Amino acid sequence: GAGVSQSPRYKVAKRGQDVALRCDPISGHVSLFWYQQALGQGPEFLTYFQNEAQLDKSGLPSDRFFAERPEGSVSTLKIQRTQQEDSAVYLCASSFGGTANTEAFFGQGTRLTVV
Amino acid sequence: KQEVTQIPAALSVPEGENLVLNCSFTDSAIYNLQWFRQDPGKGLTSLLLIQSSQREQTSGRLNASLDKSSGRSTLYIAASQPGDSATYLCAVPDSGGGADGLTFGKGTHLIIQP
Repeated sequence: GAGVSQSPRYKVAKRGQDVALRCDPISGHVSLFWYQQALGQGPEFLTYFQNEAQLDKSGLPSDRFFAERPEGSVSTLKIQRTQQEDSAVYLCASSFGGTANTEAFFGQGTRLTVV
Repeated sequence: KQEVTQIPAALSVPEGENLVLNCSFTDSAIYNLQWFRQDPGKGLTSLLLIQSSQREQTSGRLNASLDKSSGRSTLYIAASQPGDSATYLCAVPDSGGGADGLTFGKGTHLIIQP
């Protein structure tokens, strides 16, 4: 499709389980971002890739969170040993350039529930 | 660190009314400001992107203005319809640079009564 695609749409994980969330950006988009959105809040920045390079991971809440984009296209956000506070919607966005100049397009998100 | 505030947090109006949503940001050194719409359980849909050199952008019944010096933006919705019901979010690049994520407000939850 033409938009940003995320999978799975919903994920229920038992506490302590590892999860992997996938993002397919718009073809040709250089920049890819991951955000975390808690219920009733705006999205919060997690990490940013320019092509395959992870230029900013300052928003990752702990070392249990890891993101990669090995070929500069598809990205995976991995959460190890999930905790209840990890329950949120994880949004992926892509843009042709950086956010300074170009529009960001978001996927539908993955709703993660840790039980 | 950039902070974005949106007022009101929630708004319920009858169909047909014109309305204004407000967004303010603390660091005026922004490159652009973007307004998004989020339907329940869905991702974000980009509505309007205003570059820092622009004062307003229009798309259909939507008009967004930007006053960079005062750190404010408004989203004007004309002739509101029930289908406009959603959460509206504004966002700016975090530090004004080119390689940063967006800082979002908490959104305005809008309900248009039929």
